[in-house]
Amino acid sequence: GIQVEQSPPDLILQEGANSTLRCNFSDSVNNLQWFHQNPWGQLINLFYIPSGTKQNGRLSATTVATERYSLLYISSSQTTDSGVYFCAPKYIFGTGTRLKVLA
Amino acid sequence: GAGVSQSPSNKVTEKGKDVELRCDPISGHTALYWYRQSLGQGLEFLIYFQGNSAPDKSGLPSDRFSAERTGGSVSTLTIQRTQQEDSAVYLCASSVSQGSTEAFFGQGTRLTVV
Repeated sequence: GIQVEQSPPDLILQEGANSTLRCNFSDSVNNLQWFHQNPWGQLINLFYIPSGTKQNGRLSATTVATERYSLLYISSSQTTDSGVYFCAPKYIFGTGTRLKVLA
Repeated sequence: GAGVSQSPSNKVTEKGKDVELRCDPISGHTALYWYRQSLGQGLEFLIYFQGNSAPDKSGLPSDRFSAERTGGSVSTLTIQRTQQEDSAVYLCASSVSQGSTEAFFGQGTRLTVV
C-alpha cells in the first residue's frame, strides 16, 4: 500500500512564527487531505487538495502530485494551532507532525 | 444527519468480551471508513466500504475484528474476545464516494479493555 512520511515529527514555535510541514507519499494519488487533530482529539478538515494550491486564512497548502509531496504552511502561528497535523493521501494517514505553539 | 455520528462515545469492557461500535455516516455518503488510533499514535486504517462493492478489509488486524454496513448506511465494527491491546479510539469517516472526495470524521469511540 501507499507509504506516507511526514516531517518534522515534532515542532515547537514561538507565537507569531511561520512554519512549513511536509508530506511525502509513495504512490500517485487523486485524493489528499490535511487534518488538524486538536488536543481534545477531534479531527478537523483543513484542506482537500489532490493538486495545486489552496489558502484559508493563515493556512495554505500545496500539492505537487507529479512529485508526490504536499506542503502545509502555517503563518503567524497562534497557540490554538497546537495539536497534530496529519496528511492523508488516499485516506491513508501519515504519522503526523506534533506542533506546539508557545505564547 | 449533519455529521458523522459514532456511539457509544466511551466504552469500558472486560478482557474477553465482545463489543460493537456504531457509525452513522453523513446522509448520502456512499463511502465509509474505520480507523483506530492508539494513544499518541497516528490513524491506522482498518476497513472501508464503498456502496455495494466488496469492502476493503486489508487493514483489519486480526480475525477478531469484523465490520458490516447494512443498507449502505449505518456500519457496525465488532471486536470479539477483546484484548487489552485493542484499547484505542476507533474513528469513523464518510465521504460522498471513494476516491476524489473529501472525508469527514466522527468524534470517535474510546474503547478501554480492562
